[in-house]
Amino acid sequence: KAGVTQTPRYLIKTRGQQVTLSCSPISGHRSVSWYQQTPGQGLQFLFEYFSETQRNKGNFPGRFSGRQFSNSRSEMNVSTLELGDSALYLCASTPRDRGPGSYNEQFFGPGTRLTVL
Amino acid sequence: SQQGEEDPQALSIQEGENATMNCSYKTSINNLQWYRQNSGRGLVHLILIRSNEREKHSGRLRVTLDTSKKSSSLLITASRAADTASYFCAGKSTFGDGTTLTVKP
Repeated sequence: KAGVTQTPRYLIKTRGQQVTLSCSPISGHRSVSWYQQTPGQGLQFLFEYFSETQRNKGNFPGRFSGRQFSNSRSEMNVSTLELGDSALYLCASTPRDRGPGSYNEQFFGPGTRLTVL
Repeated sequence: SQQGEEDPQALSIQEGENATMNCSYKTSINNLQWYRQNSGRGLVHLILIRSNEREKHSGRLRVTLDTSKKSSSLLITASRAADTASYFCAGKSTFGDGTTLTVKP
């Protein structure tokens, strides 16, 4: 099976712009999670989607949003970009719902490196 | 802020030596996972240990879990230069800060 794919791999934007990142999970996986990774804050959870529904959300401002389509592909959007949004954005998929008690190994994509100038 | 902490933050050893990384977490977990990340890339799942397990092995990896102390350790035996990476523990969606391991040839 093909792994998790993320597009684009690299992106340069300026402050105030918006950006949309895409994630295609492993075929058959229905849960997608997004993470932001920065040197200062480490890996921080953004949100998780399962069957087109947002299941969990991290502590990020409303400028960060996401959605999941019926084919499980997911997008995240960041509006009004700030310099601090520069980060590696990672997407991860799991086969099933990651509720309590679930086997929740995550399969990560290579990430999208976003630079905000 | 992160709810998990890895210790040490950085570890440098010679090829062939063993590397031990520790992780502490704050909330209750159903299971704990360890991941590896090569510089600037995605994470790769290494091993998962369930809350009712105390030790688990996978190849050169050995993971222990002490739920009473909310801590886990990852041991890599007979390390190789290719093991150079950052290692993270995670409870579902919460990742620790990671340990950066450098294995010198």
